[in-house]
Parts: sequence; C-alpha cells; structure tokens
Amino acid sequence: GAVVSQHPSRVICKSGTSVKIECRSLDFQATTMFWYRQFPKQSLMLMATSNEGSKATYEQGVEKDKFLINHASLTLSTLTVTSAHPEDSSFYICSASGWGAMNTEAFFGQGTRLTVV
Amino acid sequence: AQKVTQAQTEISVVEKEDVTLDCVYETRDTTYYLFWYKQPPSGELVFLIRRNSFDEQNEISGRYSWNFQKSTSSFNFTITASQVVDSAVYFCALLTGANNLFFGTGTRLTVIP
Repeated sequence: GAVVSQHPSRVICKSGTSVKIECRSLDFQATTMFWYRQFPKQSLMLMATSNEGSKATYEQGVEKDKFLINHASLTLSTLTVTSAHPEDSSFYICSASGWGAMNTEAFFGQGTRLTVV
Repeated sequence: AQKVTQAQTEISVVEKEDVTLDCVYETRDTTYYLFWYKQPPSGELVFLIRRNSFDEQNEISGRYSWNFQKSTSSFNFTITASQVVDSAVYFCALLTGANNLFFGTGTRLTVIP
C-alpha cells in the first residue's frame, strides 16, 4: 500500500510553545489529508480535512487558530499546535488519500504523541 | 447520518480461542467502504481490510475472516486461534462519498497466554 510518513513520532514541549507535526505521502499525490486526535482509550476524532492548495475544513469544536493546518503541496501537510497547553497532550495522527493511492482508501501515518508540560 | 458502532468495548480471550469483533454501521449512501484497522500499543494504525458496499462476499486471510451483511448493516471480524500478538485495539471504519472516515469507538482485545 501507499506510504504516509508522520514526524515526529513523539514530542514533549513546554506550555505556551508551538509544535509542528508533518505528514508526508511518500509515493503518491495526496489530494486530501485528514488530521485526527485520539485521547487515551478513545476513538479517533477527526479534527480537520485539508485539500491541497486550499484552506482546511475544521470539524465543529476544533479551534482553527489553535490548530493550524497547511497543505501547500501534494505530498506534505502540517499541523501546528500553537500556544500548547497540557490539555493539548494527545495522540495526533494523519491520513492521506489521493490519486495513486486508490482514492477510496486513506493511508495513515505512524502518529505523533504530544506531551505538553 | 454516518455512524459506526462497536458495542464491545473490551474482550478477553484465552490464547487459541476464536473471537468475533462486531461492527454495525449506518449510512444513507449507496456507495461506501468499510474498513478494519488494528492499533497495537505502539499507536500506529495497521490496515487490515477494505470492502466496498457492492461486494458482500466474505473474506478470509489466514486467521482473519470478515462477514459483511448489508441486510443487518454489519461487518464483523473474526480471529481464529487467537494469539497474544493479536492483543490490540481494533477499529471498524466507514468511508462515504465525502471521502471521510468515520471510526467506531474501538474494541480492545486482550489475548491471555
């Protein structure tokens, strides 16, 4: 299957700082990328959907100014958690779909475990 | 509305037992896709299977098998002769025309040696 690489896998940051998470599609053009958040022992909750070259569409309750998503190219999307607080600590995972990756399937990155101290 | 229900929150079985994980979905779309993913303790999502709404054939892959029944809107997953390495959280997901995956709440499977 297609490969999606997410970096970093783990990050610890101080409260008030910003953290950027990258999601790359390595062998296909990701026209659409999805960002999910997963709290411990819970399901994946969709945060936002981004299409290459356009603004992301955020799910209800997700703060756009806090979770900045950029999808500037067909192979890269970034999620920046701005002014992070301890309650932002969570597991963030991206997925990508698009031409070359069988548009009916989303491939997932390895996830990023964010801890804000 | 799209919805995926995994009624079993946690299941424990003894090694070598068979176990079935239930998944019931809701959608008004006539074209959709169903998935199962495995999430081991390390956190990454491992793709297991994808089925489209027009293909109700059951599928077997090694110790894994899937039973898709549109009449009951179910897509159940059976592991035969379970092993300790099968211990993980398993998610059922629904992909609709909006190209958005809806996940169930997951079933945590523990296989006891």
